[in-house]
Amino acid sequence: RKEVEQDPGPFNVPEGATVAFNCTYSNSASQSFFWYRQDCRKEPKLLMSVYSSGNEDGRFTAQLNRASQYISLLIRDSKLSDSATYLCVVTGGGADGLTFGKGTHLIIQP
Amino acid sequence: DGGITQSPKYLFRKEGQNVTLSCEQNLNHDAMYWYRQDPGQGLRLIYYSQIVNDFQKGDIAEGYSVSREKKESFPLTVTSAQKNPTAFYLCASSIEQGAYNQPQHFGDGTRLSIL
Repeated sequence: RKEVEQDPGPFNVPEGATVAFNCTYSNSASQSFFWYRQDCRKEPKLLMSVYSSGNEDGRFTAQLNRASQYISLLIRDSKLSDSATYLCVVTGGGADGLTFGKGTHLIIQP
Repeated sequence: DGGITQSPKYLFRKEGQNVTLSCEQNLNHDAMYWYRQDPGQGLRLIYYSQIVNDFQKGDIAEGYSVSREKKESFPLTVTSAQKNPTAFYLCASSIEQGAYNQPQHFGDGTRLSIL
């Protein structure tokens, strides 16, 4: 059974701090990985793809560890506007090809 | 602008009524998807379509039906057989099903409630 597991949080973090959270996946055949951001009562929006070599986009860094089957998201110098739910998405290995985690709720406090 | 448009934004269903949620995309994407999200829960796949005139059941298809007569459109009908329809419904599309490097893009959702 495909599973993507995330710590639901909430993670309460002071503004300016660095925060990181992981997502584990059970299907070793998984091919592609993404982080989405979902604001309250809104649709998920693509934050970044996660490449094997890791990738960085401004204050955000994503890493993939295939051996241990997890991906991570690091946010540096956190802003109040970073408060949201972060969804881990894993594709590949199945007919529908896409599995969403339930999300990690992040709250940045002033 | 290219994107995915869902309508209506809010919808109320009476007992025993079928309702249809619209999803239109002008991204020229082949694959389209319908998800349901309940409060505090992840997205669950209802139906997906890889190509016109073809669609497949997802994890929770019971009580729902879809059609894919045009590439741009993938309407979802919530039938009276769906006993717990209250949820946030999200439509998504991607360049093609199984294009592992391509993410899905979402419409802004429809909130369905029972009257």
